[in-house]
Amino acid sequence: DTEVTQTPKHLVMGMTNKKSLKCEQHMGHRAMYWYKQKAKKPPELMFVYSYEKLSINESVPSRFSPECPNSSLLNLHLHALQPEDSALYLCASSQGRNQPQHFGDGTRLSIL
Amino acid sequence: AQKVTQAQTEISVVEKEDVTLDCVYETRDTTYYLFWYKQPPSGELVFLIRRNSFDEQNEISGRYSWNFQKSTSSFNFTITASQVVDSAVYFCALSDRPDRGSTLGRLYFGRGTQLTVWP
Repeated sequence: DTEVTQTPKHLVMGMTNKKSLKCEQHMGHRAMYWYKQKAKKPPELMFVYSYEKLSINESVPSRFSPECPNSSLLNLHLHALQPEDSALYLCASSQGRNQPQHFGDGTRLSIL
Repeated sequence: AQKVTQAQTEISVVEKEDVTLDCVYETRDTTYYLFWYKQPPSGELVFLIRRNSFDEQNEISGRYSWNFQKSTSSFNFTITASQVVDSAVYFCALSDRPDRGSTLGRLYFGRGTQLTVWP
């Protein structure tokens, strides 16, 4: 079992739907991350939150909207996604500067 | 610019064989961190090791060992007496120096090496 919990595990949605991915950690970590991973590729960084504030946005399209309601929770709101957005979405957390990132199991997202 | 190269895309071995996964990195920073992660088919990335640029001692953890050589910019990972459960994608990653005023460094991943261990 991982210490970073992501829900749902699988999500299928149409291009006009609105859905959210959720991530939770209770390790007291100060930084939380969203990654996108396509098959046979390494994870690509999307967003980083530090102390609940958005620290890094890797020029992600606005159809992805992150939210950090508190230090333990991280959401990724999805709207009007494209088929090419189908991927594994990974959440991670870390204590901070150059500390290991701990990953969740991910959400496998399919856009119809 | 930071770059991590894992030249081996796929490796297949038979159980109990030793296997070495190569990782070569590029950075202009004098302070940096290197990581190895394992990604089994279930999807999560499992942290294996972190090594900072000032510590060139090799490390052993059970059947796993790591060889860090700054002279060749390499951080290789060896699994001794491989087992079927070692089958996974292994990523080497480099963490750069955080931007001034930031507490964070980014992770730069290699492309990964798919290791398959046959019974």
